[in-house]
Amino acid sequence: VQMVESGGGLVQPGGSLRLSCAASGFSFSTYWMTWVRQAPGKGLEWVASIKEDGSERHFVDSVKGRFSISRDNAERSLHLQMNNVRADDTAVYYCVAGGWVWGRGTLVTVSS
Amino acid sequence: SNELTQPPSVSVSPGQTARITCSGDALPKRYAYWFRQKSGQAPVMVIYEDSKRAPGIPERFSGSNSGTMATLTITGTQADDEGDYYCYSADTSDDYREMFGGGTRLTVL
Repeated sequence: VQMVESGGGLVQPGGSLRLSCAASGFSFSTYWMTWVRQAPGKGLEWVASIKEDGSERHFVDSVKGRFSISRDNAERSLHLQMNNVRADDTAVYYCVAGGWVWGRGTLVTVSS
Repeated sequence: SNELTQPPSVSVSPGQTARITCSGDALPKRYAYWFRQKSGQAPVMVIYEDSKRAPGIPERFSGSNSGTMATLTITGTQADDEGDYYCYSADTSDDYREMFGGGTRLTVL
């Protein structure tokens, strides 16, 4: 049972980044999937969630209109498209399955 | 309100009982969950649906939710229980939001 995030890195303010998460070892299509982030030295923050079939998507206010979330159940993958990023988006981003399975996180650094 | 409030830190001696509280207006209507995060690691679920222990979590961990406060109790605290503990809840009404508390650093002295 694991999830592995990828796609993090250094991006300039106003730029874009696409995070991905590959799941294995559990029934991916039966879980709400979530992105949670953690700024350096700070606590956990919910970012976005998507229903099992993708019919519902929800975002924290600070990323609405800039981030989008998607999933591919056939490929067992989750994605977070980050547009117009800001310095305060700098964080480790975790993908989470129903609260039960967490990836190890991928670091996004927004800096010029 | 969309906030969950936790004390920044709790300290206990080995073998003592640690209690970590989480207060918020959403708690009477929604389940509380607890996660533990050790340094450099991803969080792990400890308690779900107010009081159920996640698989593999020792019996010394228990949870409760009464009114606007949820509590994580660790009876007979061990050094290995140190870490940051976060409560979590979700408001799935029309104004959907999920939220974590600010986190509590548990130190076993």
